[in-house]
Amino acid sequence: EVQLLESGGVLVQPGGSLRISCATSGFTFSSYAMNWVRQAPGKGLESVSAISGTGANTYYADSVKGRFTISRDNSKHTLYLQMNGLRAEDTAIYYCAKVSGSYYIHNSLDHWGQGTLVTVSS
Amino acid sequence: DIQMTQSPSSLSASVGDRVTITCRASQTITNYLNWYQQKPGKAPKLLIYSASTLQSGVPSRFSGSGSGTDFILTISSLQPEDFATYYCQQGYSTPCSFGQGTKVEIK
Repeated sequence: EVQLLESGGVLVQPGGSLRISCATSGFTFSSYAMNWVRQAPGKGLESVSAISGTGANTYYADSVKGRFTISRDNSKHTLYLQMNGLRAEDTAIYYCAKVSGSYYIHNSLDHWGQGTLVTVSS
Repeated sequence: DIQMTQSPSSLSASVGDRVTITCRASQTITNYLNWYQQKPGKAPKLLIYSASTLQSGVPSRFSGSGSGTDFILTISSLQPEDFATYYCQQGYSTPCSFGQGTKVEIK
């Protein structure tokens, strides 16, 4: 059974930094791309970052480019999102999602974690 | 960037009704269109991928159609557990954008 478990979401001040993680099990982690999707309170879904199975290719939404860094440790089956220069508008539930193939386009998000809440406020 | 527009934004329906939700892409995405269901307080769940392929375990009352720029999600006979918000997503190119969502409520 595929399982994705996010952690690390907390209350952080504007301008602060945070790393959230997604521990996975039940599939060959290195064979699949992974995605971070966020949802601000009462709003829709936004794909903020994605990474290919090997880690060689990454994608960032314009809203986070230069501030967020996605990475993966295939030996630990874990996905990360390092978030720097946090802003109030980054407040959201951050979901980790498994992509159905090794690359993050031409595929779907076939399994999702339960999400971790990041709140940016003073 | 490709913009995804869903209609309607919300709808009210009764158990047993046939429900259709439309998703339009701002440019062709061939058949790289996915549909997700999200219930309050829960993570989204994949329903349909590649415009018309039902994800494993999803009831057959859900179906998808379309190609190019226009797509439809159909629920043939709405059940109580189907009241939720539905999102389309294009997987053709980055950013793999989502529609704004369609909330299906009980009439």
